[in-house]
Amino acid sequence: QKEVEQNSGPLSVPEGAIASLNCTYSDRGSQSFFWYRQYSGKSPELIMFIYSNGDKEDGRFTAQLNKASQYVSLLIRDSQPSDSATYLCAVEAYGGATNKLIFGTGTLLAVQP
Amino acid sequence: DADVTQTPRNRITKTGKRIMLECSQTKGHDRMYWYRQDPGLGLRLIYYSFDVKDINKGEISDGYSVSRQAQAKFSLSLESAIPNQTALYFCATSEGTSGRVQETQYFGPGTRLLVL
Repeated sequence: QKEVEQNSGPLSVPEGAIASLNCTYSDRGSQSFFWYRQYSGKSPELIMFIYSNGDKEDGRFTAQLNKASQYVSLLIRDSQPSDSATYLCAVEAYGGATNKLIFGTGTLLAVQP
Repeated sequence: DADVTQTPRNRITKTGKRIMLECSQTKGHDRMYWYRQDPGLGLRLIYYSFDVKDINKGEISDGYSVSRQAQAKFSLSLESAIPNQTALYFCATSEGTSGRVQETQYFGPGTRLLVL
């Protein structure tokens, strides 16, 4: 069973702090990793994707990938109350010619004003 | 206008009824997906289609069927609804040109289904 694990939270951080969201995955063949944000009752929206080991930065967001440890994380700098949402980690489940995404159950982030 | 639309947005039905959820997209993407989301279980793939002639089962296809009527339309049917199919259903699309690398998926607004 290919799995993606996330701590369900809630992760509570004060406004302006760095929020660190973590995800581990079981399939060593995975090459594509995505972070989605989902507000309550809304659809998931893409925050970032990462394919290579190391860090990838986009504004206040940094994705970090370590394939050897099968670990991907998302850092949110200068957290704002509007960042309060569930963050979904999604990992490619390689299955021959038809790749699919496996989603974690998400981490609920609460940014306190 | 939204790129990925779903109808209806909310539906209440009774056990045993047949219902259809519809998804349309204007993104020109080849690949379309149906997921359900349940509290504590995350998003789970029901069916996916990589082009009009291609339909594949996901991890939880039992009790569901799909139809890819055109590149832009992908419908999900519950032949005989049961209460444990109560969930939030999402349609998603991806471009279909990136070969080996998994592409970004773009989600519709969701359909909230309640089966009594």
